[in-house]
Amino acid sequence: GQNIDQPTEMTATEGAIVQINCTYQTSGFNGLFWYQQHAGEAPTFLSYNVLDGLEEKGRFSSFLSRSKGYSYLLLKELQMKDSASYLCAVRDQAGGYNKLIFGAGTRLAVHP
Amino acid sequence: ETGVTQTPRHLVMGMTNKKSLKCEQHLGHNAMYWYKQSAKKPLELMFVYSLEERVENNSVPSRFSPECPNSSHLFLHLHTLQPEDSALYLCASSQEGAEFYGYTFGSGTRLTVV
Repeated sequence: GQNIDQPTEMTATEGAIVQINCTYQTSGFNGLFWYQQHAGEAPTFLSYNVLDGLEEKGRFSSFLSRSKGYSYLLLKELQMKDSASYLCAVRDQAGGYNKLIFGAGTRLAVHP
Repeated sequence: ETGVTQTPRHLVMGMTNKKSLKCEQHLGHNAMYWYKQSAKKPLELMFVYSLEERVENNSVPSRFSPECPNSSHLFLHLHTLQPEDSALYLCASSQEGAEFYGYTFGSGTRLTVV
């Protein structure tokens, strides 16, 4: 089966660093995505990992360990506008075609 | 227009009504998806269309009926819905076969069933 776990809520202080973890179990892993979603808006793409290691993109970095079924999203120099839900999603190709399976999301609140 | 456009943004309907949600993508993608997002639950994949052919119907009740007339348009026809069907319905598109297989989402339709 497929299972994606991430913390429900996190809080952090403006200017700080926060790490959001994601663990997954899937039969046809073919990449891991992180999306950001502000309340009432569409999810927007943040990062993509298909090989082990760290991908850096400005203030955001994402790490993947396929052997451990583990990823994290690292947000540096937090800003108030980073308050949002962060969705971990696994691309699964079981069944012969690709589809994205999402975790429930981590709601991040950034405080002054 | 660019990206993925969904209409209407908000919809209130009675349990006996029939309505349709519309999604249009201007990205030249060849796959489109319907997701349901309920409060505090993961996005639930409902339907997958690849090259205009439905490849997945994820155990969705028959009161939801998708239609994909071409690679740019996707509809979700609704009839005799239940209050628990109230949710945000998101459409997404992607380019299957591309090395980077990210989804682009529309802004969603907030559906309330009364």
